[in-house]
Amino acid sequence: AQKVTQAQTEISVVEKEDVTLDCVYETRDTTYYLFWYKQPPSGELVFLIRRNSFDEQNEISGRYSWNFQKSTSSFNFTITASQVVDSAVYFCALSEPYNTDKLIFGTGTRLQVFP
Amino acid sequence: EPEVTQTPSHQVTQMGQEVILRCVPISNHLYFYWYRQILGQKVEFLVSFYNNEISEKSEIFDDQFSVERPDGSNFTLKIRSTKLEDSAMYFCASSEASTNTGELFFGEGSRLTVL
Repeated sequence: AQKVTQAQTEISVVEKEDVTLDCVYETRDTTYYLFWYKQPPSGELVFLIRRNSFDEQNEISGRYSWNFQKSTSSFNFTITASQVVDSAVYFCALSEPYNTDKLIFGTGTRLQVFP
Repeated sequence: EPEVTQTPSHQVTQMGQEVILRCVPISNHLYFYWYRQILGQKVEFLVSFYNNEISEKSEIFDDQFSVERPDGSNFTLKIRSTKLEDSAMYFCASSEASTNTGELFFGEGSRLTVL
């Protein structure tokens, strides 16, 4: 069965600290997609990244970076030099495109960045 | 920037009442979705809709739920007889293509409170 585990329920850091949010997934398929979404206090879900299972290159976008390790079924998200505006709930999600058109979300990690 | 819009932002209703949540997806998108998030819990897939019919639905999406695209722009979720456990944030999403190639754009959500 497909499953996404975000073991960290809540993380608190002080501004400018680096923080890594963990995501571990389970899937029976060899082709799948992984996502990260941000949910700020206003409630909407903001797309951050989509990665397909064949692309294990790490990605960097500004202060954000993602580490995809197929061998450990992990897709971790690092924020460098965190800012107060990064405070949000972050969801990791999985889809299996050939079997389903839905996203399976993890339970989310609440990140609080203090000034 | 084009966005998915949802109305109402918050609706309070009595148990047993019918509720219609409305969504205007991004205009050139072809795939439409409803997800829900019970307070403090993960985001769960409800239903996907393509070519004027449901393409997939979850176990949550039982007979009390229905979706419709009554005209070229709106996409609605109807809950026929609301229960207390239907209280949640309901997110509409749309994408240009199916999840494996398209980015899912979420609306800001409609919070439903059932009393």
